[in-house]
Amino acid sequence: QITLKESGPTLVKPTQTLTLTCSFSGFSLSTSGVAVGWIRQPPGKALEWLALIYWDDDKRYSPSLKSRLAITKDTSKNQVVLTMTNMDPVDTATYYCAHRLRLGSNGYNYFDYWGQGTLVTVSS
Amino acid sequence: ETVLTQSPATLSLSPGERATLSCRASQSVSSYLGWYQQKPGQTPRLLIYDASNRATGIPARFSGSGSGTDFTLTISSLEPEDFAVYYCQQRSNWPITFGQGTRLEIK
Repeated sequence: QITLKESGPTLVKPTQTLTLTCSFSGFSLSTSGVAVGWIRQPPGKALEWLALIYWDDDKRYSPSLKSRLAITKDTSKNQVVLTMTNMDPVDTATYYCAHRLRLGSNGYNYFDYWGQGTLVTVSS
Repeated sequence: ETVLTQSPATLSLSPGERATLSCRASQSVSSYLGWYQQKPGQTPRLLIYDASNRATGIPARFSGSGSGTDFTLTISSLEPEDFAVYYCQQRSNWPITFGQGTRLEIK
């Protein structure tokens, strides 16, 4: 059974760098077709996709945040790490990591398993 | 980027009624559109992928249709647990984008 869990700071100061770790089980990021994404949701607002990393280490980023984001994977630890630089109060949100839908050997860029999310507040 | 516009923003219906939610894309996304349900305090749940395919474990009362720029999520007969916020998401064009959501509330 697939599970994911985000960890990281709950409070960061403006201009600081946020580092979030997604620890997962039930799948391997070395398997063809597998990918993990990050999505965030400001309080009371809509979902916003941030980044996606594939089994072959291909990476995709939201263009509006690309200069501030980096996503990496550690296959041996079953972890994905997202860093976001120069944090601002508008980045206050719940940050989710999620497993990309995979049916057979085919992957689809939707998210079928989500972590519980971690609320990150940006404030001085 | 592909903007997804959902309507209505809020839909007020009673249990047993039929719900029709709309998602319109600013450019064609072919059939590469999905739907999620999110209840308060919970994570999003994938309902529909590629316009009309129900995800694993999703009841048959949920159905999706559409292609190109216009899509619909239909709930044939509302159950009390269906009142939630619904988001559409496209995977056709980078970046992946979500709609702003439709709140389905009890009338």
